[in-house]
Amino acid sequence: GEDVEQSLFLSVREGDSSVINCTYTDSSSTYLYWYKQEPGAGLQLLTYIFSNMDMKQDQRLTVLLNKKDKHLSLRIADTQTGDSAIYFCAESRSTGGFKTIFGAGTRLFVKA
Amino acid sequence: DAGITQSPRHKVTETGTPVTLRCHQTENHRYMYWYRQDPGHGLRLIHYSYGVKDTDKGEVSDGYSVSRSKTEDFLLTLESATSSQTSVYFCAIRQGDSRHEQYFGPGTRLTVT
Repeated sequence: GEDVEQSLFLSVREGDSSVINCTYTDSSSTYLYWYKQEPGAGLQLLTYIFSNMDMKQDQRLTVLLNKKDKHLSLRIADTQTGDSAIYFCAESRSTGGFKTIFGAGTRLFVKA
Repeated sequence: DAGITQSPRHKVTETGTPVTLRCHQTENHRYMYWYRQDPGHGLRLIHYSYGVKDTDKGEVSDGYSVSRSKTEDFLLTLESATSSQTSVYFCAIRQGDSRHEQYFGPGTRLTVT
């Protein structure tokens, strides 16, 4: 079945790079997403990558996709305390009406 | 900001009472979704709508019903709330057939005592 898995916690020091990892099982995934959730707020779409791409960069964010291993990662360069949040990986398929499956989320702690 | 509001933002209710949560959008988006968020589970789809009066079940629909009589409003009803329905509920929209991204409302925290 469809499943998206992430590690639950990550702790980094301010100024270091953070790498949040995700694995998924659906080989027909069309889009893969990273969402950010700050305390008491909804999910904010950070970035997404189309399944035929290997990498996407957007300012401090770099998304890497290894389709063979069904592995997605989000790298945050120069991590700041404002990056402390829960990060959700998700995937959807165009053939499934873009039904979106979410991981359980990775809580990122940034130490000053 | 996709123009999504949810009401109420917080609610405490007793077991066995009916509860209705409202999602309101201002931009005429066709697709609307209700999710629940629980620790360790991420977001799970309850119901979704693909137009006025057109709805379908998600993976955790038992105990929930929905209605969409106007494009802008998508209502989630718990007919008889149970403690297992204590959760944070999020509404989301998708802008159209060719758009794949979902945008989320601020959430409703529901506690069933």
